Amino acid sequence: DVVLTQTPVSLSVTLGDQASISCRSSQSLEYSDGYTYLEWYLQKPGQSPQLLIYGVSNRFSGVPDRFIGSGSGTDFTLKISRVEPEDLGVYYCFQATHDPLTFGSGTKLEIK
Amino acid sequence: EVQLQESGPGLVKPSQSLSLTCSVTGYSITSNYWGWIRKFPGNKMEWMGYISYSGSTSYNPSLKSRISITRDTSKNQFFLQLNSVTTEDTATYYCARYLRGFDYWGQGVMVTVSS
Repeated sequence: DVVLTQTPVSLSVTLGDQASISCRSSQSLEYSDGYTYLEWYLQKPGQSPQLLIYGVSNRFSGVPDRFIGSGSGTDFTLKISRVEPEDLGVYYCFQATHDPLTFGSGTKLEIK
Repeated sequence: EVQLQESGPGLVKPSQSLSLTCSVTGYSITSNYWGWIRKFPGNKMEWMGYISYSGSTSYNPSLKSRISITRDTSKNQFFLQLNSVTTEDTATYYCARYLRGFDYWGQGVMVTVSS
């Protein structure tokens, strides 16, 4: 199975500052068709997970441009610029390139 | 608007079967992929499997032969059955649509496995 290693496990950020989360894969996530099925999700307290980023760097509808996904191959990053109170929760990377599909272990973002 | 809603018992006894329904409105399950995902106490998330627009399925091998995902297109519902549950299956279960990501989710149903 593909292992997605997320760091840090938790992150405490001052409002208005930038946060950065890393996701490293045990295998390349580039599919044979050239697409990379790497996504980022946020689960806010008491809510279902929500899609933020798909295909490494594409923001889902309604996601603010403060959320920026980047990376390739096995190394990926989610940056949140100008952190706002509603950004708190647990962030997960997820890969759908290889079966079985797998989630990262999660990064908890707290506001200082 | 696409909406998904899980339903099913919140308490299941060990060795019994867990059965959940995902009712979808606003979009046909004969398009795209429809998955089950669970979140364990703590932060761990697990993809369990999906059923495709054509009815084909794919399952997480970690669930071996215990899992089955089926559908009723006339009711626009799909179903999860997990057999021989143990306390390790205690989790919140979500259904979700997969298009370019899991873009629509149900609200989740907490299932406890306990005698």
